[in-house]
Amino acid sequence: EVQLLESGGGLVQPGGSLRLSCAASGFMFAGSAMNWVRQAPGKGLEWVSSLSGSGKATYYADSVKGRFTISRDNSKNTVYLHMNSLRVEDTGLYYCAKERTTGLAYEYWGQGTLVTVSS
Amino acid sequence: SYVLTQPPSVSVAPGETARITCEENNIGTKSVHWYQQKPGQAPVLVIYYDRDRPSGIPERFSGSNFENTATLTIRRVEAGDEADYYCHVWESSSDHYVFGTGTKVTVL
Repeated sequence: EVQLLESGGGLVQPGGSLRLSCAASGFMFAGSAMNWVRQAPGKGLEWVSSLSGSGKATYYADSVKGRFTISRDNSKNTVYLHMNSLRVEDTGLYYCAKERTTGLAYEYWGQGTLVTVSS
Repeated sequence: SYVLTQPPSVSVAPGETARITCEENNIGTKSVHWYQQKPGQAPVLVIYYDRDRPSGIPERFSGSNFENTATLTIRRVEAGDEADYYCHVWESSSDHYVFGTGTKVTVL
């Protein structure tokens, strides 16, 4: 059974940093493209970042580029989202999602970890 | 920037057909995926590559994509289909994924 378990969320002041983790199990993690998607309270889904299966290609939404970094540790079956210079508008539920082997569609999602940026 | 426009809400009676559109210029040239999200839950993939269904998704769910409009169709709507639905594409010109604005389906 595929499982994605996010952690690392919490309350942080504007300008602060957090590192989110997504621990994966139940599939061949190495080689699987992974993604982060967020959802502000009462709002829609917003793509944040993607990491190719090889780990060599990274992609970022314009709203987070230069502040967030996605990475993976295949030995721990874990993908990370390092978030710096956090803003109030970064508040939301952050989901980790696995792409289908054939790419593009997100076939599995975690339950999310909540990030609150507030003074 | 690439914006996928969906109607904010669709209302449908049980047993009828719900159609949810996702509009953008030349979306027909891209692969469109659809997700269902119920309150307090993570999204679930219901259609990928325009019209394919993951295992476990009822045949009542189908998709199409042509020219400027992609459509998710839910036939014989049930109370359990009440949820938010989002379309999703990869925009290769900017190397960005994009989600649609979302549609709330209400079963009357």
